[in-house]
Amino acid sequence: NAGVTQTPKFQVLKTGQSMTLQCAQDMNHNSMYWYRQDPGMGLRLIYYSASEGTTDKGEVPNGYNVSRLNKREFSLRLESAAPSQTSVYFCASSSGRGGPRTATRETQYFGPGTRLLVL
Amino acid sequence: GDSVTQMEGPVTLSEEAFLTINCTYTATGYPSLFWYVQYPGEGLQLLLKATKADDKGSNKGFEATYRKETTSFHLEKGSVQVSDSAVYFCALRGGNTGKLIFGQGTTLQVKP
Repeated sequence: NAGVTQTPKFQVLKTGQSMTLQCAQDMNHNSMYWYRQDPGMGLRLIYYSASEGTTDKGEVPNGYNVSRLNKREFSLRLESAAPSQTSVYFCASSSGRGGPRTATRETQYFGPGTRLLVL
Repeated sequence: GDSVTQMEGPVTLSEEAFLTINCTYTATGYPSLFWYVQYPGEGLQLLLKATKADDKGSNKGFEATYRKETTSFHLEKGSVQVSDSAVYFCALRGGNTGKLIFGQGTTLQVKP
């Protein structure tokens, strides 16, 4: 049981290049999330997927796209990377089975992160 | 909107010292409150949580009590160890979307 896995662990891009960050979970969770972590700012939500087939914008969605490929996988794509997207990216998942009434009490489980440097 | 404010770091303590990391929040309704810990080079791990007022979350010697009257969820540990050196994040989760709102994180360094 690996939990939440992310690939790659580290990536260097040039401005304007594109790439996709991969995330997978083996906990049969309905909900998945992408965050970015920047110094002094905690984690900020980029996009989330409450259930398979749905995606919604979070706090900082500009410059990103996501795909909920299936229940296990949730990818984050940078179409044209910019230096401002240099960050550590975390994927997370939660059960999401109880609907809105229980969503607030659910634990989110995080992957190990992807460190991205855009030159 | 909802927000979380943590005390500024870094916090440097000697082994066996008492730890308090302050966390206050602003939220509508009845959020759940969490503390996550991030060890060097790793992702975030849930440390403890509390889902209603006056609940006390505890794990690995850490405790935090959900105080609705002071909108606080301060993290405490009676005797820290070098292995507790990490970044600690306070977070809340409220509303129908279930989105987590994080504080900026507090770095704890424990010296032998």
